[in-house]
Amino acid sequence: DGGITQSPKYLFRKEGQNVTLSCEQNLNHDAMYWYRQDPGQGLRLIYYSQIVNDFQKGDIAEGYSVSREKKESFPLTVTSAQKNPTAFYLCASSILGTRTDQPQHFGDGTRLSIL
Amino acid sequence: AQTVTQSQPEMSVQEAETVTLSCTYDTSENNYYLFWYKQPPSRQMILVIRQEAYKQQNATENRFSVNFQKAAKSFSLKISDSQLGDTAMYFCAFIGGTSYGKLTFGQGTILTVHP
Repeated sequence: DGGITQSPKYLFRKEGQNVTLSCEQNLNHDAMYWYRQDPGQGLRLIYYSQIVNDFQKGDIAEGYSVSREKKESFPLTVTSAQKNPTAFYLCASSILGTRTDQPQHFGDGTRLSIL
Repeated sequence: AQTVTQSQPEMSVQEAETVTLSCTYDTSENNYYLFWYKQPPSRQMILVIRQEAYKQQNATENRFSVNFQKAAKSFSLKISDSQLGDTAMYFCAFIGGTSYGKLTFGQGTILTVHP
């Protein structure tokens, strides 16, 4: 079945440590997105990528980094510069970012906590 | 910049009854799509329904329908014959023609369906 796989489901970060969240899709989608969700709040865009080897900052990119070396993969690194990383992280993809009629498909998310 | 506002943090309804969730948005664009996503306790984001701004006819998907008032920039979701499985957080979201696929989410409404 086609879909988006995020791993791990739960992740713990120590002070000063970088951690990487994985996002893989087999939907052959061009565009991929990372969102952050804090308790009781909506989703905020961290980074997005329209095509391989290209990505753009979203609304809250500080303290995060991404790469898009393959169409299927869009990993998110939470760096030590992100002082409040505890949140639920959702990865999404869509057929083509410029197609506003195409809905985004979401993974099951990763919950990141500080040790 | 677009904004999406959901003014009802929490709602509750009895099983089999009808409930309406409110959403307003602000944009200067003419070409855009609106979506309602459902996030059950499992945290997976599920697309419920979508509406194109150019279509006057309100979208319907089984028990779910919208009341799209373009001039008022209002996009409410009506759930008929509510079921226990409808218990979830519901997010209203917007994509504009110049958004390159970036969704703008509202803050969410927690809906609880009581037996």
